[in-house]
Amino acid sequence: DAKTTQPNSMESNEEEPVHLPCNHSTISGTDYIHWYRQLPSQGPEYVIHGLTSNVNNRMASLAIAEDRKSSTLILHRATLRDAAVYYCILRQTAQGGSEKLVFGKGTKLTVNP
Amino acid sequence: DTGVSQNPRHKITKRGQNVTFRCDPISEHNRLYWYRQTLGQGPEFLTYFQNEAQLEKSRLLSDRFSAERPKGSFSTLEIQRTEQGDSAMYLCASSYTRGLTYGYTFGSGTRLTVV
Repeated sequence: DAKTTQPNSMESNEEEPVHLPCNHSTISGTDYIHWYRQLPSQGPEYVIHGLTSNVNNRMASLAIAEDRKSSTLILHRATLRDAAVYYCILRQTAQGGSEKLVFGKGTKLTVNP
Repeated sequence: DTGVSQNPRHKITKRGQNVTFRCDPISEHNRLYWYRQTLGQGPEFLTYFQNEAQLEKSRLLSDRFSAERPKGSFSTLEIQRTEQGDSAMYLCASSYTRGLTYGYTFGSGTRLTVV
């Protein structure tokens, strides 16, 4: 399974933007980059995913490097409810790939009031 | 649709007992996944189903673990002869094979404590 590398923890202040980095130097051409987050005592929650182009949705933006070896999840204005563990995951979609999500330890985001 | 439902939310059992967890996925989703999560770690994949077929099992799924998805709807995960090391959060998720989103929807999990 292709691996990702994320910082163990990050801190942000409320209402400020947050940039969560992820390195995935062994990504293959058919791997999608997925982000999930997990709030305390809950199951993970889908945030966003992309392949090559930058993506935006109501929760966040995903910026993907041109060589696809890294990506950044952007929360435009952090709120206290954004405090969670954020997981960057490569999802294989090549024929014969299992398509399962393989989670690492993620980045624990703390948002200060 | 209220999302992915898991029951029970909490289970305390004595070592050596059998336990069974249930997962009700989102009704239109044809894939169902089981994960296990221990404190401070990300979820670990256990197994997944496409409709009623179990397509992949992790090496983590020892012979004491069995999962079923009869009729391709709800799923059960049974652990026989529980051990203290089985204490964890057991998460279920569902998804489409294809569709507008490739995202998984997770349930809130069943927390198992083996004493």
